Amino acid sequence: NAGVTQTPKFRVLKTGQSMTLLCAQDMNHEYMYWYRQDPGMGLRLIHYSVGEGTTAKGEVPDGYNVSRLKKQNFLLGLESAAPSQTSVYFCASSLSSSGEEQFFGPGTRLTVL
Amino acid sequence: KQEVTQIPAALSVPEGENLVLNCSFTDSAIYNLQWFRQDPGKGLTSLLLIQSSQREQTSGRLNASLDKSSGRSTLYIAASQPGDSATYLCAVKETSGSRLTFGEGTQLTVNP
Repeated sequence: NAGVTQTPKFRVLKTGQSMTLLCAQDMNHEYMYWYRQDPGMGLRLIHYSVGEGTTAKGEVPDGYNVSRLKKQNFLLGLESAAPSQTSVYFCASSLSSSGEEQFFGPGTRLTVL
Repeated sequence: KQEVTQIPAALSVPEGENLVLNCSFTDSAIYNLQWFRQDPGKGLTSLLLIQSSQREQTSGRLNASLDKSSGRSTLYIAASQPGDSATYLCAVKETSGSRLTFGEGTQLTVNP
């Protein structure tokens, strides 16, 4: 099993450009999450999904959109990138919400110029 | 609002030493607590998960304890090795919802 994979690993954008980060998991997990990690701020939840076709806002959702069209995939979109979105983005998944551990992907390092 | 604090922010020890990493949280109404390891430029690797009804969990040289009433958890690493060098993060899952609240981590360096 590959676990949780993320593409791309690195990306540089100019302000105003758009992009989509892809997360895939092969563990048949119901729950999927997008976090961002910033120095001095720790990891913060952007959006999450409790199952195929569902999405919900996390702690810092502004400027991002997500979609979960297939159970194994969770996409994070930036419609108009801003320098404040320069960060490392992590995807995670868990079997369910209650009491289950979360498994993380390797991360995507995004720089917005 | 739940806040998670990890002290110290950085720790350097000689190889072979036993050590304790600390994690404290402000709201004791948690569902579980998870310890992660993060290597530089890498993702998070889950080490131990403690349910709110449990007092401790063990995996190899690692032992994590949980005291909900005092809002504290410790990660004990026995006989530390240079390969243990990494940042260790704790995170709590709140009783309601799916959110994990993370501490900022303790950066551990084990010197040969």
